[in-house]
Amino acid sequence: GENVEQHPSTLSVQEGDSAVIKCTYSDSASNYFPWYKQELGKRPQLIIDIRSNVGEKKDQRIAVTLNKTAKHFSLHITETQPEDSAVYFCAATDSWGKLQFGAGTQVVVTP
Amino acid sequence: SAVISQKPSRDICQRGTSLTIQCQVDSQVTMMFWYRQQPGQSLTLIATANQGSEATYESGFVIDKFPISRPNLTFSTLTVSNMSPEDSSIYLCSVRQGVNTGELFFGEGSRLTVL
Repeated sequence: GENVEQHPSTLSVQEGDSAVIKCTYSDSASNYFPWYKQELGKRPQLIIDIRSNVGEKKDQRIAVTLNKTAKHFSLHITETQPEDSAVYFCAATDSWGKLQFGAGTQVVVTP
Repeated sequence: SAVISQKPSRDICQRGTSLTIQCQVDSQVTMMFWYRQQPGQSLTLIATANQGSEATYESGFVIDKFPISRPNLTFSTLTVSNMSPEDSSIYLCSVRQGVNTGELFFGEGSRLTVL
């Protein structure tokens, strides 16, 4: 089945700096890669996603890149703000269309 | 996006008892899933709730421990049976509105603490 690995597990950044989270996946049939943000005590919420026919997607300060050959994808947050502090999860669909999640990255943005 | 209501939002349970979590969606959805999130951990898929047939369970999860019902396209229940402290987790209902639409929406979750 699909195996999604996510790094780093924690990430501390100064406000205004960039944050990058990286994930790898194992199933070459995976075709959908979402990123979720989970604030403390709240449900995971989709922040951006990318499909396998696209190499990069951007939404304001957030961007995701996908390298299908290497089976890895990354989340980039620019000009970080304190409200970006949360746990971020990457995910990938397995061959049955179910989402498998990475272990999560705790992002802390310090003012 | 779908609006998903889960009940209860939290509960404290005694060892050996069972609890049923309800998930109600404001629109008909094709696919419903149940996830578990143990403290400080990621989301682990328990099963896919299939309307009109038995749920499909992931490795490590069995129907006797986590029976699931899906009587229609807007409602599902997950029961956590014969609970032990290791079952203390957040249980999340999630839905995908289209077969080919990847986006997964989550309910608020049900936080269970087993004493």
